[in-house]
Amino acid sequence: DAGVIQSPRHEVTEMGQEVTLRCKPISGHDYLFWYRQTMMRGLELLIYFNNNVPIDDSGMPEDRFSAKMPNASFSTLKIQPSEPRDSAVYFCASSSPNIGGFGELFFGEGSRLTVL
Amino acid sequence: RKEVEQDPGPFNVPEGATVAFNCTYSNSASQSFFWYRQDCRKEPKLLMSVYSSGNEDGRFTAQLNRASQYISLLIRDSKLSDSATYLCVVNNAGKSTFGDGTTLTVKP
Repeated sequence: DAGVIQSPRHEVTEMGQEVTLRCKPISGHDYLFWYRQTMMRGLELLIYFNNNVPIDDSGMPEDRFSAKMPNASFSTLKIQPSEPRDSAVYFCASSSPNIGGFGELFFGEGSRLTVL
Repeated sequence: RKEVEQDPGPFNVPEGATVAFNCTYSNSASQSFFWYRQDCRKEPKLLMSVYSSGNEDGRFTAQLNRASQYISLLIRDSKLSDSATYLCVVNNAGKSTFGDGTTLTVKP
């Protein structure tokens, strides 16, 4: 079975450019999460969706960040304009609640973003 | 104060050692608890869930103390392949919050 698929795996861009990160969750999972990981701040939850609807976007750092989930099999995280401090690994994860609680998070391999 | 706090580490231990990691969380309404493992430059992966009664999976034992809002992970007879970062995770109503992780290096 295919896991969570993210693209691109690596991106190097210049400050001010638009960056779009893509994610395909595991089929049948109804929760999708976007995390950002840096050495300084660890793994931070940016936003999560349930059944394609954004539930909590309180972790989105500022208006330069936006995320969409137009259907159950696709989500994007966009940064416009990008800044050097956005350099990080961005992970997408999906899950499906199980009886008695919330299930395992399955992560994609991440998108490593470098903004020069 | 961070919502989930872990021993910063790093822990450097010889093969065969027993090592324990601790984690505290601030939200008493938290519902589910987990330990994840992250290898260098890889994505986090679930190691085990943590239950109030404590649970064991081979050489790994996890404990939860809801009254103290404390979670632990014990690794017995550590192997070289256990070298990784261990992340404490607390879930509340679908939102999973990760600790900063504790790095373990097991040496021959």
